[in-house]
Amino acid sequence: QQQVKQSPQSLIVQKGGIPIINCAYENTAFDYFPWYQQFPGKGPALLIAIRPDVSEKKEGRFTISFNKSAKQFSLHIMDSQPGDSATYFCAASSLFSGSARQLTFGSGTQLTVLP
Amino acid sequence: DVKVTQSSRYLVKRTGEKVFLECVQDMDHENMFWYRQDPGLGLRLIYFSYDVKMKEKGDIPEGYSVSREKKERFSLILESASTNQTSMYLCASSVRGYNSPLHFGNGTRLTVT
Repeated sequence: QQQVKQSPQSLIVQKGGIPIINCAYENTAFDYFPWYQQFPGKGPALLIAIRPDVSEKKEGRFTISFNKSAKQFSLHIMDSQPGDSATYFCAASSLFSGSARQLTFGSGTQLTVLP
Repeated sequence: DVKVTQSSRYLVKRTGEKVFLECVQDMDHENMFWYRQDPGLGLRLIYFSYDVKMKEKGDIPEGYSVSREKKERFSLILESASTNQTSMYLCASSVRGYNSPLHFGNGTRLTVT
């Protein structure tokens, strides 16, 4: 079962547009929500992350909005550029046992930014 | 910079073969993970290890096993490869901690024919 649901599966925007990727979760044990960015031929890399006691986090052109009561969070990319074309994964972290943590990923969004 | 190295970029194996995927990290990370990536399904956790000789099942462990004899090396084993194990396999590592990021290798594209 998909514990973290991500949409849309693909997204095409013009340069300068603001793509928005949405994620939703059910498990209230999740307590940390990172986003990963993956370019073709590369492994995913951490882009930005948020804790559930914060409603918004911004790093450069990337912003996470977090709605704890709705169990939803989203990634906004301001002034998108062709170089932002990549696959984006939302994720949710929970404690597995002791101090070991487990990361559950969404299904991914393939973003294309047209020049 | 953390480096996670996966031994092969592409592998082609036959059904029923025993397959070893190797992963090495150079930053003394306690945690290591194996994910498989399939279109529309995202990254699904197969196994992870939070210490040498320790292993825990992830969401899809069936048909796989792992070995971690040394801290820097985490191996994924397909005991008898099947066509439904054709996929991209990603290894990752991290330090212990609440907000520790995962550092991924570039993946191994395995095709089972």
